[in-house]
Order: sequence, then C-alpha cells, then structure tokens
Amino acid sequence: RKEVEQDPGPFNVPEGATVAFNCTYSNSASQSFFWYRQDCRKEPKLLMSVYSSGNEDGRFTAQLNRASQYISLLIRDSKLSDSATYLCVVIGSYNQAGTALIFGKGTTLSVSS
Amino acid sequence: EADIYQTPRYLVIGTGKKITLECSQTMGHDKMYWYQQDPGMELHLIHYSYGVNSTEKGDLSSESTVSRIRTEHFPLTLESARPSHTSQYLCASSGLGGGTQYFGPGTRLLVL
Repeated sequence: RKEVEQDPGPFNVPEGATVAFNCTYSNSASQSFFWYRQDCRKEPKLLMSVYSSGNEDGRFTAQLNRASQYISLLIRDSKLSDSATYLCVVIGSYNQAGTALIFGKGTTLSVSS
Repeated sequence: EADIYQTPRYLVIGTGKKITLECSQTMGHDKMYWYQQDPGMELHLIHYSYGVNSTEKGDLSSESTVSRIRTEHFPLTLESARPSHTSQYLCASSGLGGGTQYFGPGTRLLVL
C-alpha cells in the first residue's frame, strides 16, 4: 500500500462547480499535512496546510480526519485558473535528520468554461 | 516568488557522460532537497541536507550524489548518465518547519 493515496483523476468540471478531492495516508504517526498545487510542467507550490480543526482559505477548505487517516480538499466556485494537479502531502516520520515530505501521485483538475 | 534556482532547465546528453545539476537558494534555508518526478507520477525524495556538510539519501534509491559545501548551494551529480536517469529533477528548500518547501523550476533530463 502506498503511503499517500489520492483519488484517481482527472476531474473535469465546469466553471462554478464544487469539487472535492480525497486522500488517505498509511502512517498513523504522521504529524503534518498539506495540499500542494502543481501546474502542468511546473514545480509544486504550497496551496495550504491542513489543520486538525479544518481550515479555510477563500474558496478552498481542507479537512483532516486522523481516526480515518483521511484528508480532503474542497474547492468551491471553480475557476479556469484552478486547473492543475493537486498533491496531497504528508510529513513522514521525523528522523534524526529532520522531516521528509511524502507526496501523493496527485489528482488532476480541469475546469472548463 | 521563491528565490530558488536550478540550471540547466533542460539537458539532453549521451550515455556515459558526467553531469551536474545546479541548485541555489537565496533564502538562507538550512534544509534542501532533491526530488525526482517522472511524467504523471509522484515526486520521490532522492537526497536531502539539513545544513552544510550534511547529506542523506532519500526514500528512492538513486545513483546520483550530492554535496553541501555552502548553505545556498546543493548540486546533484551523476557520474555516468544512463537512459534510466531520464526524468525531471526538482530541488527544494525549507526553513525550520520543513512543511513549506519552496521548489525550483526543475531540470528536465533526457539521456540518450
């Protein structure tokens, strides 16, 4: 089983749609969680951290369920510019050298007009 | 915008050549990382460093080596390139927390 698994894509939605991405992680000791965004042929960029209490940033809402080892990202009122691959990222175990990010394969979102 | 740079952006090279991929950051970050990403696949950590003279191998086995002689510079070297090394190589750096990593634009390597 992969350490971080995401919904298979692609998600093709019209502008204005609400779309939800899911992600599960296997290591119950994982401490921190993030969503990164990667545009086609570009580098990943941090979209938002995921807090235990859930957090919102504009049209984006992230939630964490530690008991189920499940993370979600909700995008409301989708824009064309939201088209990208969304990467679920988990910080793995803390080793003596520090932290290591574990990336999911990503879910591709395509928003059309 | 993150101040992390990678050169070259694209490299096409023949089998057996030695290559060095450059990565520099001007943010004063102690932590730096190299990831490998094949098209449509997830990123895999191949090397990381938590400071000068500190380097560790990542989760994905790689024939490349790295060095960290200066805080701002984290080059990756392949002594003898092979077609199996064809991939995109992404460099990143982070501050103390480690969760927010800033990525360079990547180097797309094609070994013929």
